[in-house]
Amino acid sequence: QVHLVESGGGVVQPGRSLRLSCAASGFTFSTFSMHWVRQAPGKGLEWVAVMSDDGTQRYYADSVKGRFTISRDNSKNTLYLQMNSLRVQDTAVYYCARGGGATLDYWGQGTLLTVSS
Amino acid sequence: DIQMTQSPSSLSASVGDRVTITCRASQTINSYLNWYQQKPGKAPRFLIYAASSLQSGVPSRFNGSGSGTDFTLTISSLQPEDFATYYCQQSYSNVWTFGQGTKVEMK
Repeated sequence: QVHLVESGGGVVQPGRSLRLSCAASGFTFSTFSMHWVRQAPGKGLEWVAVMSDDGTQRYYADSVKGRFTISRDNSKNTLYLQMNSLRVQDTAVYYCARGGGATLDYWGQGTLLTVSS
Repeated sequence: DIQMTQSPSSLSASVGDRVTITCRASQTINSYLNWYQQKPGKAPRFLIYAASSLQSGVPSRFNGSGSGTDFTLTISSLQPEDFATYYCQQSYSNVWTFGQGTKVEMK
């Protein structure tokens, strides 16, 4: 079955960088686009970024454009999110999700990032 | 970016009630509209795609409708496990967006 496991969250100071990972299993990773979605404490879902199956296309939410970079390693079945110039408002649970066509059909359990001084 | 607006933000209902949630897009999105359910502390669950098609395993009491800019999620007879927050999401543009969510609470 499809399994997505995020890791890399933690506590980081404003302005610092961090990289999240999402290990995928149970499906042919290299044939699906992959997304990051976040949820600030007590708030709604916010779509963050997507990368195409072959890594040639990436799109970002305006709130993270220029600071975050999505990438993937299809040989390792792993999705990444490099986050630079972190802000307090980036504090959230970060989910990776599989792009099943025009949907987010499977989600990981999330990893919590706290940006605080 | 396309803005998605859900209403109401929250509602109170009883088991057996019919519940309707609406979602409006700031521009036409054809039928590129999905619905998700989220319970506290859990990852979202994918319910409906292409505005009206149920994901495998989703009970038939869930129904989605609409196209263009106006969409509806209806739960025909609310069950105890349906108390949750529901989100609409558009995948028409390259930059996807969610509605702000509708919390369905027990009356």
